[in-house]
Amino acid sequence: AQSVTQPDIHITVSEGASLELRCNYSYGATPYLFWYVQSPGQGLQLLLKYFSGDTLVQGIKGFEAEFKRSQSSFNLRKPSVHWSDAAEYFCAVAPFIGNTPLVFGKGTRLSVIA
Amino acid sequence: DTAVSQTPKYLVTQMGNDKSIKCEQNLGHDTMYWYKQDSKKFLKIMFSYNNKELIINETVPNRFSPKSPDKAHLNLHINSLELGDSAVYFCASSHLQGGGPSDEQFFGPGTRLTVL
Repeated sequence: AQSVTQPDIHITVSEGASLELRCNYSYGATPYLFWYVQSPGQGLQLLLKYFSGDTLVQGIKGFEAEFKRSQSSFNLRKPSVHWSDAAEYFCAVAPFIGNTPLVFGKGTRLSVIA
Repeated sequence: DTAVSQTPKYLVTQMGNDKSIKCEQNLGHDTMYWYKQDSKKFLKIMFSYNNKELIINETVPNRFSPKSPDKAHLNLHINSLELGDSAVYFCASSHLQGGGPSDEQFFGPGTRLTVL
C-alpha cells in the first residue's frame, strides 16, 4: 500500500527566508502527487500537483515542488516566506486520478517569525 | 459560489446522540469522499462514493453511515456518538471520467465535531 512520510512535524523560519518541506512516498509506480495547505480553522487548499512531465512544478502563492523519482521525494519549496504562509502543509499521493482517495502524510506545521 | 460546502461548520453534542453532517458540491463531479482529521491533524479516508454508489469503505465503525441521495450530495450520519468521534470531518469531490491534470480533489471547509 502506498504511504507518505513528512519527516518534519514542525518547522520555524524567519520571514523572508527560504523554505523547504520534505515529502517521501512509498509506491510501486509513480503516483500522482499533491501538496495541500490548511490554514488554522480552514479547509484544505491545493497548492500544486504533479502528474507527469516536467519534474519541477509551479503552484500558487509562489510555491514550487520538485519530483525526484530516484529519491521518491516531492519536496515543497518557497524562496521567500511570508508571515501569511504560517499553516499546516500536507503532502498526498494517489495511485491514479479519478475516484481514488488521497493518502496523506501527517503534515508539517510551519511557523513564521519576524 | 462555494464549490464544496458542508453544514454545519461546528457541531457540539453529547455522547450517545445521533447527528448528521451534510455535504454538497456544485462542480458536477461524480465522486465524493469523507475524510476524518484527528486531533493530531492526521487525515484519513473514511468513505468514497461514485454516482451514488459506495466504492470505498475503510475500517470505520458501523455507527457511521454515509448516504448519497444524488451525485451532488454525500451526507454522513453518526449514531451513538462517542468521545473518540471528536474530529474534523472533510468532504471532498473529484471527477472520475477521463483523468488527467484536471481531476484533483476539492475539499469542503470541514465540520468540527466535538463530543462531550
